[in-house]
Amino acid sequence: AQTVTQSQPEMSVQEAETVTLSCTYDTSENNYYLFWYKQPPSRQMILVIRQEAYKQQNATENRFSVNFQKAAKSFSLKISDSQLGDTAMYFCAALNYGQNFVFGPGTRLSVLP
Amino acid sequence: KAGVTQTPRYLIKTRGQQVTLSCSPISGHRSVSWYQQTPGQGLQFLFEYFSETQRNKGNFPGRFSGRQFSNSRSEMNVSTLELGDSALYLCASSATGTIAMNTEAFFGQGTRLTVV
Repeated sequence: AQTVTQSQPEMSVQEAETVTLSCTYDTSENNYYLFWYKQPPSRQMILVIRQEAYKQQNATENRFSVNFQKAAKSFSLKISDSQLGDTAMYFCAALNYGQNFVFGPGTRLSVLP
Repeated sequence: KAGVTQTPRYLIKTRGQQVTLSCSPISGHRSVSWYQQTPGQGLQFLFEYFSETQRNKGNFPGRFSGRQFSNSRSEMNVSTLELGDSALYLCASSATGTIAMNTEAFFGQGTRLTVV
């Protein structure tokens, strides 16, 4: 069975600084996707970034980038120039072909002014 | 374009009762997935519907069921409610379903169910 682990239950960062959230996963599949979702207090899950496992190049979306280490099954999220609006729960998720999301337990990120 | 709409936003039910939650996907989307979110278990997949057919099912008891209508709207039903069913229930819609995996899943704001 696929599992996703996030070892940091809570993190904080000063506004404008950089923070990295960790995620490891376990899968026996070769074809899968990895995601980071953000859940602000409004509760709505918002896609931050995604990575196709067959692509070696790390995905980037503006201030958000990932460090995808396939052999180590690691998928960390780096947030640069942190903003107050980045305060939220962040969930790492994996998706195998033909199956459905498996989410990690989440990391609560607080951006401090 | 309207987002994913879940109704009601909040619900309080008594043990033993049943409840029906509704999810209206983004217009044109044919796939709806349901997830249960609790502090203890995190986010867990319930089931996915695509074109009125259940495609995948998570590891939940038979008290949890769902269906999808021809307009892609989906309902989730929980019978004989237990205290442990208290959770945030999220649905997500996507254009082609997880089988394609090349489309984004858009989540609704969820229904907060409290069982007393």
